[in-house]
Amino acid sequence: ETGVTQTPRHLVMGMTNKKSLKCEQHLGHNAMYWYKQSAKKPLELMFVYSLEERVENNSVPSRFSPECPNSSHLFLHLHTLQPEDSALYLCASSQGLTGYEQYFGPGTRLTVT
Amino acid sequence: AQKVTQAQTEISVVEKEDVTLDCVYETRDTTYYLFWYKQPPSGELVFLIRRNSFDEQNEISGRYSWNFQKSTSSFNFTITASQVVDSAVYFCALSEVRLGAGANNLFFGTGTRLTVIP
Repeated sequence: ETGVTQTPRHLVMGMTNKKSLKCEQHLGHNAMYWYKQSAKKPLELMFVYSLEERVENNSVPSRFSPECPNSSHLFLHLHTLQPEDSALYLCASSQGLTGYEQYFGPGTRLTVT
Repeated sequence: AQKVTQAQTEISVVEKEDVTLDCVYETRDTTYYLFWYKQPPSGELVFLIRRNSFDEQNEISGRYSWNFQKSTSSFNFTITASQVVDSAVYFCALSEVRLGAGANNLFFGTGTRLTVIP
C-alpha cells in the first residue's frame, strides 16, 4: 500500500448506529487530519493530530470522536449521527504541521439515513 | 482572517484549449503558503503545487503553469492544451505560518469544476 488509504470507501448508517472510519498513511508523516466535504461547501477541517496528540478541534460535535493510536493510523468514531452529517470524509497527512503539503486519501462517502 | 476565493464555479472548454483557473486570497500574514489541489471524480485530492509567499517566480510543470502575484493576492493556474483527463474540481488553498500555533490550517476555496469536452 502506498500513500493514504481509507476504509470503508462507502458507508450507510442509521442515526442510532455506531461505526468507525479508518485512515492509514504509509508516508512516514507526523501529522494527520480529518476533513468533511459537503456539497457546495468548502472543505471543513475537523481534527488535527501531530505525533499522536490532538492539536486542533474545530468545534466539531461530540458525536464525532477521533482517535490516533500511532502516527500511521487515524480513526473517526461515529455515533448517533444526523442526516446532515452525510458527506465525504477525507483523511490527510503531512510531514509536519506548518507549511507542508497535505496528502489525501480517497475518502469515505457517508450516508446517514 | 484568511480567505480563498475561487470565483469561477464551473468552466467548460473544448479539448486542446488553454484554460486559466483564478484564485484570490486574503491574509494578514507576511509568511504563508499557497497550494493547488485536483479532485477527480474518484474523490481523492491530489496535490499539485506548493508556493511560499517569498517566492514569486512563476512555475511550469508540463502543461501546467502557475502565476503568483503578491501585488494582486492572486495565484492563478493555467492548463495549456487541455485534455479530457484534466476534467476535475480544482481547489486553491492557503496556509499561514503562525508562531506558536502549531497547527497547519489549510483554508480551501470552494473549488472550480473544469470540464474538458472532447
